[in-house]
Amino acid sequence: QKEVEQDPGPLSVPEGAIVSLNCTYSNSAFQYFMWYRQYSRKGPELLMYTYSSGNKEDGRFTAQVDKSSKYISLFIRDSQPSDSATYLCAMRVGNAGNMLTFGGGTRLMVKP
Amino acid sequence: DAGVTQSPTHLIKTRGQQVTLRCSPKSGHDTVSWYQQALGQGPQFIFQYYEEEERQRGNFPDRFSGHQFPNYSSELNVNALLLGDSALYLCASRSGPQGGSTEAFFGQGTRLTVV
Repeated sequence: QKEVEQDPGPLSVPEGAIVSLNCTYSNSAFQYFMWYRQYSRKGPELLMYTYSSGNKEDGRFTAQVDKSSKYISLFIRDSQPSDSATYLCAMRVGNAGNMLTFGGGTRLMVKP
Repeated sequence: DAGVTQSPTHLIKTRGQQVTLRCSPKSGHDTVSWYQQALGQGPQFIFQYYEEEERQRGNFPDRFSGHQFPNYSSELNVNALLLGDSALYLCASRSGPQGGSTEAFFGQGTRLTVV
């Protein structure tokens, strides 16, 4: 079993829909949680970065962390065709461990 | 600011050969990490360099080695290439190896194909 699990999709939604992307993890030592967006043939781009549990909002994006359930989510409001990409969740332990552990990515397609 | 730059963009090598990939971190960053991303998978951590030393290593064999130069740029070397080494190799940079910051900046990657 992988440390971080993510539904590979593809997830297809109409433009304007609310998108929910999720990851589950098994390592309770993870404290830092990130969401990256990766367009085809490009490197990952950091979207959201949160520490411990709670919510964080940035424009159309909201990240939620539930450490008790070992579950994180990314919500995208008013989705646009330009949001079509692969979304990767990533996590790391605190200061003593700096490697990022990624999920496998979810491919999102937003149709006009 | 050019961000994180990697070279070459694409590379085709034969099994058993050796390859060197290069990375220049974002201006002001001194820590470089390398990741391998197989097709349809998430990136996997290879190792991290800071102050010209390997600080942390993922679950990769000794065929994978690296180097960091005084100007903070880095190289990833892979010896005795296997077909399974075909992947997108990503470089990420940050300021300092520890603390609350994270790898906000990745390069566009080098796509290595082993035939």
